[in-house]
Amino acid sequence: QKEVEQNSGPLSVPEGAIASLNCTYSDRGSQSFFWYRQYSGKSPELIMFIYSNGDKEDGRFTAQLNKASQYVSLLIRDSQPSDSATYLCAVMGGNNNDMRFGAGTRLTVKP
Amino acid sequence: DTEVTQTPKHLVMGMTNKKSLKCEQHMGHRAMYWYKQKAKKPPELMFVYSYEKLSINESVPSRFSPECPNSSLLNLHLHALQPEDSALYLCASSQDPGTGSEQFFGPGTRLTVL
Repeated sequence: QKEVEQNSGPLSVPEGAIASLNCTYSDRGSQSFFWYRQYSGKSPELIMFIYSNGDKEDGRFTAQLNKASQYVSLLIRDSQPSDSATYLCAVMGGNNNDMRFGAGTRLTVKP
Repeated sequence: DTEVTQTPKHLVMGMTNKKSLKCEQHMGHRAMYWYKQKAKKPPELMFVYSYEKLSINESVPSRFSPECPNSSLLNLHLHALQPEDSALYLCASSQDPGTGSEQFFGPGTRLTVL
């Protein structure tokens, strides 16, 4: 069983739509959850982190965490072509020392 | 200064060469990490340094040798690499080891082993 699972996509949405990215994890002791955006040929860029159950909003981005269901999601409102990238879900293990990544979801926003 | 820097950006080396990758941060972070990323795959953790001490080694072959000379610097020494070691090598740092704080990545070194 993979530790962090994401739909590999690709996910295609029209400009202005809401993009919904999902992630599940296996380690029930995990406490820290992150979403990174990675453009082709570039390094991962942190866009959201969440530690508590519920929603966390930052501009057009909303992260949602449900520890009981071991589920993390990222919503991108008013999607723009510049949001086209691979989105990596990352989960810090229960020991808070090692971070594991999902395989990433490739998002394409079409003008 | 809120960034992690890595040098060189690109490196081409033969299987008999010895080279080093360098990473630097001046954010006062006390945890630093090396990751390896192959094309179309997520980053894979290699090493973790907490307070300048190696705390995690993810069963990485000995041809990769990490070093943390001080709290701002992290090196990765390379020797006798194989072509399959060609990848993007990413350095990251986080503020407090063991607290689950967010990690910030450098731009990476793209390594090609001939």
